Amino acid sequence: AQKITQTQPGMFVQEKEAVTLDCTYDTSDPSYGLFWYKQPSSGEMIFLIYQGSYDQQNATEGRYSLNFQKARKSANLVISASQLGDSAMYFCAMRDQSGGSNYKLTFGKGTLLTVNP
Amino acid sequence: DAGVIQSPRHEVTEMGQEVTLRCKPISGHNSLFWYRQTMMRGLELLIYFNNNVPIDDSGMPEDRFSAKMPNASFSTLKIQPSEPRDSAVYFCASSRRDRTTDTQYFGPGTRLTVL
Repeated sequence: AQKITQTQPGMFVQEKEAVTLDCTYDTSDPSYGLFWYKQPSSGEMIFLIYQGSYDQQNATEGRYSLNFQKARKSANLVISASQLGDSAMYFCAMRDQSGGSNYKLTFGKGTLLTVNP
Repeated sequence: DAGVIQSPRHEVTEMGQEVTLRCKPISGHNSLFWYRQTMMRGLELLIYFNNNVPIDDSGMPEDRFSAKMPNASFSTLKIQPSEPRDSAVYFCASSRRDRTTDTQYFGPGTRLTVL
């Protein structure tokens, strides 16, 4: 069974500093995708970044990068140069990309990030 | 490009009333998902459509919930009769199944309150 673990219920960071949000996963499928979503207080779910299990390089999207350590089954999100607008709940999610349920996203419980001025 | 559109954004109703939530997926997307988010249970997949056909409705809580997708650009989630425990944020998401990443893009959500 799939499982996503986000061990940090809450994180604090000073504006302009970098922060790492942890995510570990468990799957027996060799082909899978990892996603990070941001949910600000306004409620919408915003897609941030994707990492495929066979991707050779860590994914990057602007200030977001994914520290993908396949052997450790971790996919930590790194936000560089934090901004006040980064304050939000962040969800890690995984989808197995083979098998009959390859459409299902499994979400972690989320990490609430607060950026302090 | 327009993202996933959901309406209404907020709905307050009384127990026993029928509630209909609406979703317009991103143009060109062939998969549509309805999720429910609560503090207690997090994000739950309710139903998944592919090419307008319901593929997996195992997450629909009970017969009071029904979902339809009459065409590629419109879906509804109906609750009849509604109960206070249905209060939650309901998200619609869509994706392109023929893309490797198959990223799901979420709408803004409908915050439902059943009194």
